[in-house]
Amino acid sequence: DVVMTQSPLSLPVTLGQPASISCRSSQSLVYSDGNTYLNWFQQRPGQSPRRLIYMVSNRDSGVPDRFSGGGSGTDFTLKISRVEAEDVGVYYCMQGTHWPLTFGGGTKVEIK
Amino acid sequence: EVQLLESGGGLVQPGGSLRLSCAASGFTFNIYDMTWVRQAPGKGLEWVSSIRANGVETFYADSVKGRFTVSRDNSKNILYLQMNALRAEDTAIYYCANGLRAIGDWGQGTLVTVSS
Repeated sequence: DVVMTQSPLSLPVTLGQPASISCRSSQSLVYSDGNTYLNWFQQRPGQSPRRLIYMVSNRDSGVPDRFSGGGSGTDFTLKISRVEAEDVGVYYCMQGTHWPLTFGGGTKVEIK
Repeated sequence: EVQLLESGGGLVQPGGSLRLSCAASGFTFNIYDMTWVRQAPGKGLEWVSSIRANGVETFYADSVKGRFTVSRDNSKNILYLQMNALRAEDTAIYYCANGLRAIGDWGQGTLVTVSS
């Protein structure tokens, strides 16, 4: 199975400051069709997960532009340019390239 | 607006069975692959099963293979998960979601508790 390793586990951030979450996969996530199926999800407290970013860097409709995704191969990053109070929650990366589909362990973003 | 509404969860004894349903609306269900993901209390997300849009091809996590069966009724826009031989470690919120390699919209989840 492809192991998805996120860091840090916990990320205390000051409001208005940037934040960055790393996600590393144990194998390349480039699929045979040339796409890289690396997605990012946000789960606010008490809510269902919500997709923020698909295929590395494509922001979903309605997602603020302070969220951005990047990376390639086995090394990926989710960045928040200026953290707001509503960004508190757990963030997960997920790979859809290899079976079984696998998620990272999650990064908890909290306000300092 | 996309809506995914799971139902069928509840308390069941070890070894028992449950069938979860996910009613979909707001998108063309019969062209979307669909996926089940679960989350044990206080834990992270775990992929459970997926099914192709035409219902022919199905995929399962090793932890549920042989016990769970995913299916769909494209005439009713409903996704199912038949869960047999349930174990304590299957206790979780079960979410249905559209998509497969890039899971998109999620439902609110239904809680399954396996306990005697």
